[in-house]
Amino acid sequence: KAGVTQTPRYLIKTRGQQVTLSCSPISGHRSVSWYQQTPGQGLQFLFEYFSETQRNKGNFPGRFSGRQFSNSRSEMNVSTLELGDSALYLCASSLLGENTEAFFGQGTRLTVV
Amino acid sequence: GENVEQHPSTLSVQEGDSAVIKCTYSDSASNYFPWYKQELGKRPQLIIDIRSNVGEKKDQRIAVTLNKTAKHFSLHITETQPEDSAVYFCAVPNTGGGNKLTFGTGTQLKVEL
Repeated sequence: KAGVTQTPRYLIKTRGQQVTLSCSPISGHRSVSWYQQTPGQGLQFLFEYFSETQRNKGNFPGRFSGRQFSNSRSEMNVSTLELGDSALYLCASSLLGENTEAFFGQGTRLTVV
Repeated sequence: GENVEQHPSTLSVQEGDSAVIKCTYSDSASNYFPWYKQELGKRPQLIIDIRSNVGEKKDQRIAVTLNKTAKHFSLHITETQPEDSAVYFCAVPNTGGGNKLTFGTGTQLKVEL
């Protein structure tokens, strides 16, 4: 069974640009969550999608957005990139609706210069 | 929202010794408590979890204990080995539903030979 797949693995962008990251969950998993990981802030929750609907949202500015498609694949978008957006972005999928194991992808390392 | 505190931030032990990491949480309605291990350059992976209807759970050298009254749970690793060296995160789910996790700040465990 394939794991959670994130693309691209690495990305370098310039301040002010926008970026789209992709996440393919484990087959059959309908819940997809996104996290930002930085050395200073640890793992911070961005948002969760379940059956194409955003179900939970973290405390990030509106520049961070996401969506989920009918096949459960998810994308997150960051507009008007700032230097502080440099981080590892992790996607996690879960089989059930709540309180179940989160399976993480390898992450996308975003560097903003 | 949920507040999770994790201690210590770094822990160094000799091979064969035991290691204990503790987390406290704020929402008394929380009922699921996972622990994730993240090796350098890799994705976080679930190593053990516990639900609020039990006070302890073991899996070989790893155990988790839960004290709901005091709102804390701990990870215990016995007979530590070099491959246990990693960052360990506790997490608490959003009691409002869904798979949103609030993570502790992480513990860097180093097992020395």
